[in-house]
Amino acid sequence: EVQLLESGGGLVPPGGSLRLSCAAFGFSFSNYAMSWVRQAPGKGLEWVSIIRDSGGDTAYADSVKGRFTISRDNSKNTLYLQMNSLRAEDTAIYYCVKGSGGTYPQSRNFDYWGQGTLVSVSS
Amino acid sequence: DIQMTQSPSSLSASVGDRVTITCRASQGINNYLAWFQQRPGKAPKSLIYDATSLQSGVPSKFSGSGSGTDFTLTISGLQPEDSATYYCQQYNIFPLTFGGGTRVEIK
Repeated sequence: EVQLLESGGGLVPPGGSLRLSCAAFGFSFSNYAMSWVRQAPGKGLEWVSIIRDSGGDTAYADSVKGRFTISRDNSKNTLYLQMNSLRAEDTAIYYCVKGSGGTYPQSRNFDYWGQGTLVSVSS
Repeated sequence: DIQMTQSPSSLSASVGDRVTITCRASQGINNYLAWFQQRPGKAPKSLIYDATSLQSGVPSKFSGSGSGTDFTLTISGLQPEDSATYYCQQYNIFPLTFGGGTRVEIK
């Protein structure tokens, strides 16, 4: 059974940093692309970032480019999101999402979602 | 960026009804279109990919159709547990973008 368990969320002041983690279980983690998707309170879904199966290729939404960094450790079956220079508008539930494959287009087709971790940016 | 426009933004239907949600892309997306269901307070769940293919384990009451820029999600035999917000998403081109969502309420 595929499981994605996010952690690392919390309350952080504007300008602060936070690192999210996502532990993956039940599939061969190194064979699949992974993404982060966020949802601000009461709002819709917004894709944040994606990383290829090998970790070599990444992409970001313009709203986080230059501030967030996605990475993965395939030896630990774990996905990360380093978030710097946080702003109030980054307040959201952050979901870890599995791609259905390692390469385009399956890498961008989301098949499993974690339960999410809440990030609140406020002074 | 590719804009994804869903309609209606909300609907109310009775148990047993068939409902249809529409999603329009601002340009062609090679049918790389997915649908997700999000029940209140829960994480999204994947329903449909490649516009028409059912994700593993998803009941056949859900179906997707369309091509080019216009797509639909149909839910047959509406049940109380189908009360949720439904989102479409294109995964053809970065940035990956979602529609604004359609809230389905049971009368």
